[in-house]
Amino acid sequence: NAGVTQTPKFQVLKTGQSMTLQCAQDMNHEYMSWYRQDPGMGLRLIHYSVGAGITDQGEVPNGYNVSRSTTEDFPLRLLSAAPSQTSVYFCASSYSWQSQETQYFGPGTRLLVL
Amino acid sequence: AQTVTQSQPEMSVQEAETVTLSCTYDTSESDYYLFWYKQPPSRQMILVIRQEAYKQQNATENRFSVNFQKAAKSFSLKISDSQLGDAAMYFCAYRTPVALVFGKGTKLTVNP
Repeated sequence: NAGVTQTPKFQVLKTGQSMTLQCAQDMNHEYMSWYRQDPGMGLRLIHYSVGAGITDQGEVPNGYNVSRSTTEDFPLRLLSAAPSQTSVYFCASSYSWQSQETQYFGPGTRLLVL
Repeated sequence: AQTVTQSQPEMSVQEAETVTLSCTYDTSESDYYLFWYKQPPSRQMILVIRQEAYKQQNATENRFSVNFQKAAKSFSLKISDSQLGDAAMYFCAYRTPVALVFGKGTKLTVNP
């Protein structure tokens, strides 16, 4: 099992550009989510999905879009990048949305918006 | 809303010694799950240990153990026989039905 994979590892964008951060898991997990990590902060939830075709907003969803067409993939789209979106982005998955399920994290994508 | 507080931004410990990282949380739920994650310089989030609130027994994983005080809403992490590889950021987290709510983290330095 590759676990949770994320691409790219690092990306530089100019303000106003759009891009998609990729996330995939090969563990047949129903639940997937995106977090961002800023200096001095813990991780904060952006969007999540409890299964294919089902997504919802987390704590900090503005400026981001998601979709879940397959169980394996959960891409995060930045519609028009802003410097405030400079951050490290983590994708996570778990077998289900149930609270007892451990979430497994990808290696992260570092994004710099100029 | 659930909140998680880690009151120690930084801690240091001598190699082979024991260190305890503090975490408190706020919730109105009676059954829930708590986690400690380690984040080394590679940035990978690694699960260290987890605790189920309805279990009175404190969780243990090798050199890592927790002191779970449900009434006080406290969930501290004890690292015994500290090793250089334990140096990292440590995050305490509370699992809601849809997310992990994280504290701001404690940076642990291990001195040789």
